[in-house]
Formats: sequence, C-alpha cells, structure tokens
Amino acid sequence: GAVVSQHPSWVICKSGTSVKIECRSLDFQATTMFWYRQFPKQSLMLMATSNEGSKATYEQGVEKDKFLINHASLTLSTLTVTSAHPEDSSFYICSDARTRPVDNEQFFGPGTRLTVL
Amino acid sequence: AQSVTQLDSHVSVSEGTPVLLRCNYSSSYSPSLFWYVQHPNKGLQLLLKYTSAATLVKGINGFEAEFKKSETSFHLTKPSAHMSDAAEYFCVVSDRLTSGTYKYIFGTGTRLKVLA
Repeated sequence: GAVVSQHPSWVICKSGTSVKIECRSLDFQATTMFWYRQFPKQSLMLMATSNEGSKATYEQGVEKDKFLINHASLTLSTLTVTSAHPEDSSFYICSDARTRPVDNEQFFGPGTRLTVL
Repeated sequence: AQSVTQLDSHVSVSEGTPVLLRCNYSSSYSPSLFWYVQHPNKGLQLLLKYTSAATLVKGINGFEAEFKKSETSFHLTKPSAHMSDAAEYFCVVSDRLTSGTYKYIFGTGTRLKVLA
C-alpha cells in the first residue's frame, strides 16, 4: 500500500488565494522530504528539499516566499502556494528520503493537481 | 555533478514486441539508478533500482535493466510489450547531498506507446 500520502489529490482555487498541500510519510520518520513540480508532458522538477525542524532548501529559480514549506514533524511536510496565479497550475508531487531498506531511495506521493482559475 | 539523459522522447512498439528505453548517466562516483513509470494523471511507481549489487536488475511487470559502467548506460527492456505498458518512463540517478541525504536527478522522460 501507499507509504506516502498527499492531500488533497486535486484542488481548484481562484487567483490570489493560497493553497496548502500536505505530504505525509505513513510508515517512516522522514527528516527530509522533497517537493516536485510537473508541467503537462514534462519531467519532474525539484522545487525544494524540506528539512524537519529547519528551513527548506530551495532550488535555483524557485521563489521561497511564493512556495512556503513547513516540515514541523517527522511525518508531515506542507507546501503552501501563496497568492496563486494561473501559471502556478501544475501537478505537485512530494517524496520522502529513506535510509531503510535501501539508502537514498525516495517514495513518492500520488500527487496533487492544482488548477488556478 | 550527476546527470541522466534519456535518448528517446517517444517510443512506439507493437504489442508483443520487445521494448527498449535508453538511458545514459554521468556520475563521479558509483551511482544509484532507478526507473519509474507514470501513468496519466498518476504518481510515480518504481519499476526497478540499481544500487551497486547485481548489474542485471529485474523489476516489476517483466521489466529489467542492465547497468553497464563502461557504456555509462542503464537501458530498460521488456521482452514483450503489453497495452498496459503505455505510459511515461523516467530514468533517475541519485546525487548525494552534503547533508548525507540524496537528491534525485530526473531524465526528461520517454513516452511509450503500444500499438495493437
């Protein structure tokens, strides 16, 4: 069964509002989680590395004030898209970084499709 | 820095014929390599992984891949394609961070089409 969950699976919002996406590691205490963005028919782009108890590390070109990441517990990381605009519409996928049973394997959530009107 | 190149953006095969999806990597150390499949509007599913054990890796749904260091390749194969194999496939190499965790580097993806 799924070991990483995301909520919601899809969301539609109005331009200018904020949207929060949750990523939960169901069977592992993840000190590190990752957030990706995927545009239609494209590959996954890493947005940021979420670190439990500390600030997230953002990839170059990703606005940290636009995409707020909070990793307050070992099983939950949240991504908040602030003041969303239509260009933020995308498929957002999270993963957790595991050390067991195999070091450096990530387990992915099912994704959240965001549509901004 | 690690990188991965998927040589074909689209591959079409007839049902029942072999599948070959090509992936080349660049790594300064012994890499971990993965193949994932993504069906439309779905998340990623791990097909198989290479982590410095056997060079021929068998995965789910009849897929396998061979790690060839001399060719820096990790091509994905399946002897006989099924209609349900139609999807997007991603080759991934892991990159070690200074924190001790790893970051994935994704290929651009190969869309597999299976013809009846």
